[in-house]
Amino acid sequence: QKEVEQDPGPLSVPEGAIVSLNCTYSNSAFQYFMWYRQYSRKGPELLMYTYSSGNKEDGRFTAQVDKSSKYISLFIRDSQPSDSATYLCAMLKETSGSRLTFGEGTQLTVNP
Amino acid sequence: GAVVSQHPSRVICKSGTSVKIECRSLDFQATTMFWYRQFPKQSLMLMATSNEGSKATYEQGVEKDKFLINHASLTLSTLTVTSAHPEDSSFYICSARERVGYTFGSGTRLTVV
Repeated sequence: QKEVEQDPGPLSVPEGAIVSLNCTYSNSAFQYFMWYRQYSRKGPELLMYTYSSGNKEDGRFTAQVDKSSKYISLFIRDSQPSDSATYLCAMLKETSGSRLTFGEGTQLTVNP
Repeated sequence: GAVVSQHPSRVICKSGTSVKIECRSLDFQATTMFWYRQFPKQSLMLMATSNEGSKATYEQGVEKDKFLINHASLTLSTLTVTSAHPEDSSFYICSARERVGYTFGSGTRLTVV
């Protein structure tokens, strides 16, 4: 079983839709939870990170962490064609030698 | 914010030659850098952890003699693919940690012909 599970999609939505991206994990030792956006042929770009449970909002993006359910989400409001990319969740436990554990990535397309 | 510069962005080389990829942290010091490999439509696979002033730590299954890593300063790590073969063709990405966030380079697409 993978430590982090993420539905690879692909996910296709119309412009303006609310997008929900999710990951589940099995290791309760994870402390930091991150979301990266990766455009084709580019390196991942950090969107948001949260520590432990709770919500964090940044513009059109909201990250949620529910440690009791081992479930994290990224919501994108008013989605735009420029949001079309692969979204990767990543998690960190400090005892892992600073190694990130990634989900498989979800490919998102926002259609104009 | 933190910036990691990776060069070259794209390289084509002949089979049997070696290729060096550079990764620089531009506005912060990185005692640790990470090298990943990514296949099409797949997630990032950690190859090795590069430690400034000491030997790199390689993941299981990664040949250390084929993928040479040097981290000679706090801002520069290099990955050399030695005696490259077509199966080494891939997208290679470096990363460095600044506080909690990990910043990634823009990646290097290596094609071995």
